[in-house]
Amino acid sequence: DAGITQSPRYKITETGRQVTLMCHQTWSHSYMFWYRQDLGHGLRLIYYSAAADITDKGEVPDGYVVSRSKTENFPLTLESATRSQTSVYFCASREGGKETQYFGPGTRLLVL
Amino acid sequence: DAKTTQPPSMDCAEGRAANLPCNHSTISGNEYVYWYRQIHSQGPQYIIHGLKNNETNEMASLIITEDRKSSTLILPHATLRDTAVYYCIVRVGKNTGTASKLTFGTGTRLQVTL
Repeated sequence: DAGITQSPRYKITETGRQVTLMCHQTWSHSYMFWYRQDLGHGLRLIYYSAAADITDKGEVPDGYVVSRSKTENFPLTLESATRSQTSVYFCASREGGKETQYFGPGTRLLVL
Repeated sequence: DAKTTQPPSMDCAEGRAANLPCNHSTISGNEYVYWYRQIHSQGPQYIIHGLKNNETNEMASLIITEDRKSSTLILPHATLRDTAVYYCIVRVGKNTGTASKLTFGTGTRLQVTL
């Protein structure tokens, strides 16, 4: 039972490059979320999805794009990476009607 | 969602109960109190949640005051593996859309020592 996985776990890229962070869950949860975590800010919601092909913005969506063509996958793309997007990114999922969110292990992204 | 206030850090001796407070004085009648924790370098982990009654599960107990303006998470016998940042979150439960997001503050850093 893999649960929720993220890849890559670590990524170094350069300013202006496109980067895609992957998130995969094996539970068929309807809800999926992307958060970023920075010192002094806790976790902040970037985007979330209530079902396949349904996505919506969170608190800090600028500079990010998401898609959800399949229930189990929720990739996050930085179209043109900036240094301010250096962060730890967490993906999470939740079953519809349930309260608990399950988080992935995180992706540590460094933008040079 | 109501704002929460937690102490930035606490210490607890191993084997003793850890009592983590949270103030949420602006909580609304339909808002739940959730607790998550984050062990270093890992994703957050759900602990417990409640509306107005005290709750207990295999991990912890949640005590909510009668006026619901504050709550306490109790780890009855803390171990070194409980060292983590604990987040108290208040939000409307059983919903869809934007209200389903969790708003994490900066939490309480609990250090369990020998």
